[in-house]
Amino acid sequence: DAGVIQSPRHEVTEMGQEVTLRCKPISGHNSLFWYRQTMMRGLELLIYFNNNVPIDDSGMPEDRFSAKMPNASFSTLKIQPSEPRDSAVYFCASSLSRTGVGNTIYFGEGSWLTVV
Amino acid sequence: GESVGLHLPTLSVQEGDNSIINCAYSNSASDYFIWYKQESGKGPQFIIDIRSNMDKRQGQRVTVLLNKTVKHLSLQIAATQPGDSAVYFCAENTMNRDDKIIFGKGTRLHILP
Repeated sequence: DAGVIQSPRHEVTEMGQEVTLRCKPISGHNSLFWYRQTMMRGLELLIYFNNNVPIDDSGMPEDRFSAKMPNASFSTLKIQPSEPRDSAVYFCASSLSRTGVGNTIYFGEGSWLTVV
Repeated sequence: GESVGLHLPTLSVQEGDNSIINCAYSNSASDYFIWYKQESGKGPQFIIDIRSNMDKRQGQRVTVLLNKTVKHLSLQIAATQPGDSAVYFCAENTMNRDDKIIFGKGTRLHILP
């Protein structure tokens, strides 16, 4: 079975440019998560969706970050304009969320972003 | 206090020995806990989970122990192998409230030959 698929795997961009990261969750999963991982802050939850609706975006750093989920099989995380401090690994994860059942999320391989 | 992120705690274990990785969780309302393994250059992978109504759960070569009184979780790996080298994260969730999974800082497991 295909896991969570992310693209691009690696991106190097100049400060000020727009960055778009893409994610295809596992088929049948109804929750999708975007995490950012850095040495300084570890794994931080940025935003998560349930049934394509954003539920909690309290982890989104600032207005330069936005995320969308237009349908059950696709999500984007956009940074505009990008800054060097945005350099990190961005992970997408998905899960089959059910009330009263522990939520196990499955991660993609990550998008390694470097802003110079 | 704990340093913020620059250096992960590292556990060095001789190959073939048992490893015990510890985690203190923060939210007393959390009722579901997961251990993830992250190898270099990859995303975190699910290892084992446990609900708060259990104290212990065993998998293949791994055992998770939960002590709710002191909000402590541990992962035991039997007969540690070179392929166990990775960073291990504990994560917590509150099942009936929301889907948020909050991760701990992680522990690096280093296998000595």
